[in-house]
Amino acid sequence: EVQLVQSGAEVKKPGESLKISCKGSGYSFTSYWIGWVRQMPGKGLEWMGIIYPGDSDTRYSPSFQGQVTISADKSISTAYLQWSSLKASDTAMYYCARHIGRISAFDIWGQGTMVTVSS
Amino acid sequence: EIVLTQSPATLSLSPGERATLSCRASQSFSSYIAWYQQKPGQAPRLLIYHTSNRAPGVPARFSGSESGTDFTLTISSLEPDDFAVYYCQQRTNWPPYSFGQGTRLELK
Repeated sequence: EVQLVQSGAEVKKPGESLKISCKGSGYSFTSYWIGWVRQMPGKGLEWMGIIYPGDSDTRYSPSFQGQVTISADKSISTAYLQWSSLKASDTAMYYCARHIGRISAFDIWGQGTMVTVSS
Repeated sequence: EIVLTQSPATLSLSPGERATLSCRASQSFSSYIAWYQQKPGQAPRLLIYHTSNRAPGVPARFSGSESGTDFTLTISSLEPDDFAVYYCQQRTNWPPYSFGQGTRLELK
């Protein structure tokens, strides 16, 4: 079964760092882009960035460039999203999703990781 | 940057009725639209790709179409399971991905 499994919910304080993960299985992890999508409470979907685990080619949305870092470790089929200094406004659900180039869409989604930043 | 505007924001219908959801692009572009369904507490699910192709396992009552910069998701006869939020998504050169703000399909 093709799936993406994300790490569990996090509760952090402003200024703390965080790295969440997304592990792929059931397919060739290095052959498909993995995107990250933010969903703030009660709001819509926002594309943050995308990485190709095969060579770690990474692209960021202008809205998130410099705010987060996307990386991947192909040896363990895992992509990451990290923050160096969290803000309360980073409180959101974060999804990873597999991108299929030939259909220009995200076909498999992780279950989401809820990040809560509060003092 | 292409902006996708979905309408209506909320659509109130009853089971058995036809639902028509719109997604308008701010400019024409040579690419495709995808549609996703999201239920409360769940991740989005791909319904339609390349504007009009159903993803595997998606019922035939879901269909997608386009007319210029206007894209439409149609649900021919609503089932109770269809009440959810629907998002359109486009892919162009840069920024490569964006989503519409969503349409909430609610039970009347």
